[in-house]
Amino acid sequence: ETGVTQSPTHLIKTRGQQVTLRCSSQSGHNTVSWYQQALGQGPQFIFQYYREEENGRGNFPPRFSGLQFPNYSSELNVNALELDDSALYLCASSLALDEQFFGPGTRLTVL
Amino acid sequence: AQSVTQLGSHVSVSEGALVLLRCNYSSSVPPYLFWYVQYPNQGLQLLLKYTSAATLVKGINGFEAEFKKSETSFHLTKPSAHMSDAAEYFCAVSDRAGRRALTFGSGTRLQVQP
Repeated sequence: ETGVTQSPTHLIKTRGQQVTLRCSSQSGHNTVSWYQQALGQGPQFIFQYYREEENGRGNFPPRFSGLQFPNYSSELNVNALELDDSALYLCASSLALDEQFFGPGTRLTVL
Repeated sequence: AQSVTQLGSHVSVSEGALVLLRCNYSSSVPPYLFWYVQYPNQGLQLLLKYTSAATLVKGINGFEAEFKKSETSFHLTKPSAHMSDAAEYFCAVSDRAGRRALTFGSGTRLQVQP
């Protein structure tokens, strides 16, 4: 059974650019949640997708957007990057409302 | 609204000593509670979870936690620390309905001294 995978592992962008992060959910999981973890802090909920529809959103601006595909993989898109967007972005998959399994994360640095 | 407070951003224990990491929660509805561990440059691994069954929950690697509603606490313990327990630990809460988004505390870094 393959766990949750994320790509890329690391990336560096400059202010104002756009970025797309990818997540492959664990086999059989139909729900994906995204979290932002700033350095030295706990993860913060960005949004969740269930069967390709957004199923809730945290306190993040609209420039954070996402997609879930028919195979339940997901993308997180961030437009107009700001320095404060530098963080570890974590994806978690689950089967409906069951336990969330986390991927290793993507480390984004905005210069 | 839900929130989690983890008392002590850093905890240091000797190898073989008791580990106690504190977590207090606030929730307007009956909560589900979780402890996760994060090793450097890795994602989060679930240690244990409380979902309204037994109040004393046993998890992996010898950890356990007790749900105390009257104290709104869910402290994590391990009788004997091992060097491999050194990591960042996060307490999290979610509601029992809806999307079950996790609200995390700010974390406690556990150091284990030889």
